[in-house]
Amino acid sequence: DTGVSQDPRHKITKRGQNVTFRCDPISEHNRLYWYRQTLGQGPEFLTYFQNEAQLEKSRLLSDRFSAERPKGSFSTLEIQRTEQGDSAMYLCASSFSGSRNEQFFGPGTRLTVL
Amino acid sequence: AQRVTQPEKLLSVFKGAPVELKCNYSYSGSPELFWYVQYSRQRLQLLLRHISRESIKGFTADLNKGETSFHLKKPFAQEEDSATYYCALLNNNDMRFGAGTRLTVKP
Repeated sequence: DTGVSQDPRHKITKRGQNVTFRCDPISEHNRLYWYRQTLGQGPEFLTYFQNEAQLEKSRLLSDRFSAERPKGSFSTLEIQRTEQGDSAMYLCASSFSGSRNEQFFGPGTRLTVL
Repeated sequence: AQRVTQPEKLLSVFKGAPVELKCNYSYSGSPELFWYVQYSRQRLQLLLRHISRESIKGFTADLNKGETSFHLKKPFAQEEDSATYYCALLNNNDMRFGAGTRLTVKP
């Protein structure tokens, strides 16, 4: 596998439930990013990891959102007590610190909260 | 605050016509700007970045600091250029994207 993968590709859940998404970056990439994209908008930055350290978090990332990258490889994004406003496409991207900031994107996880 | 504006949500041109997708930004420092493209049913991918001064698939983009613009241009559009194009600005590790312009190239 030479690209960023995300799982699941689609998730439908009821309001109030917790959901967790996984991202597997390109294997040699040390940087990993999460974005959220709603219909008709560009991706919005959520958070960034360098190796296992979470170095930046957007103000968009409420207390219900948490992200981890425990071993500096794959990452998970958890949303607790989901709300209808959380419905969006969640994108993961990775990059290598020597790559002049080119980010490679995954296919995304589409979340629908009923 | 940094912001990226793409004033056109939709743009339609005929094959062979020139195309320009507009991008304006607001940023207090020296910006690092990119164009990303998303073809139908494909993932978002980098098209070009301003520091490389490159031409990719016939597209070029020039950074104009005076007008705070980074417009994407191609002299002769092709049908395979139909896609959604996003302008993006990088501030440290926070990438800000515009809302995107969906380009349709008609035969």
